[in-house]
Amino acid sequence: QVQVVQSGAEVRKPGASVKVSCKASGYTFTSYAMHWVRQAPGQRLEWMGWINTANGNTKSSQKFQDTVTIVKDTSTSTASMELRSLRSEDTAVYYCARGRSSGPDWYFDLWGHGTLVTVSS
Amino acid sequence: SYELTQPPSVSVSPRQTASISCSGDKLGNKYASWYQQRPGQSPVLVIYQNNKRPSGIPERFSGSNSGSTATLTISGTQAMDEADYYCQAYDSSTAVVFGGGTKLTVL
Repeated sequence: QVQVVQSGAEVRKPGASVKVSCKASGYTFTSYAMHWVRQAPGQRLEWMGWINTANGNTKSSQKFQDTVTIVKDTSTSTASMELRSLRSEDTAVYYCARGRSSGPDWYFDLWGHGTLVTVSS
Repeated sequence: SYELTQPPSVSVSPRQTASISCSGDKLGNKYASWYQQRPGQSPVLVIYQNNKRPSGIPERFSGSNSGSTATLTISGTQAMDEADYYCQAYDSSTAVVFGGGTKLTVL
């Protein structure tokens, strides 16, 4: 079964960091990029960044350039996203999503179930 | 930065046609994708590359993109289609961008 399974919900205090993982199965991990998208309560989807699972290259949205690190572990078919210096505004559901591309285009055909990250003192 | 604008809400009667718009500067020169998100669930891709349907998506979902507007059309709308719909595109300066979402209500 083709799927991506995310790690469980997290609670952090402001200023802390959180790492969310995403384990792929049912397909060749290194054949597809992995993106990270978040959604604050009642808000739109917000793209954070992506990793080329074949070579490890990453690109993040300008908004998250200084606070997000995306890594991969090919041996376990897992991509992870670490967000640092958490603030209350980072409370959101974080999704990993498999990316497809045909030139200057990205779309996401497989999404994880989402990981709720709550930032509260 | 590049932005996509959607109407906050659209209402439709069962079995009628619903159209959801997504506007952005020269959007017709880019590929548009659409996602359906039911409450408490992850987004699901329903249209990619303007007008292609992934396997398993009903034929009543279709898309178009021209000028500055992409449109998702749902023909013969069913109660199960009630959800939030997001458009998405790629821009060379902003990378991936999503619209604000449209809540589709089937009355």
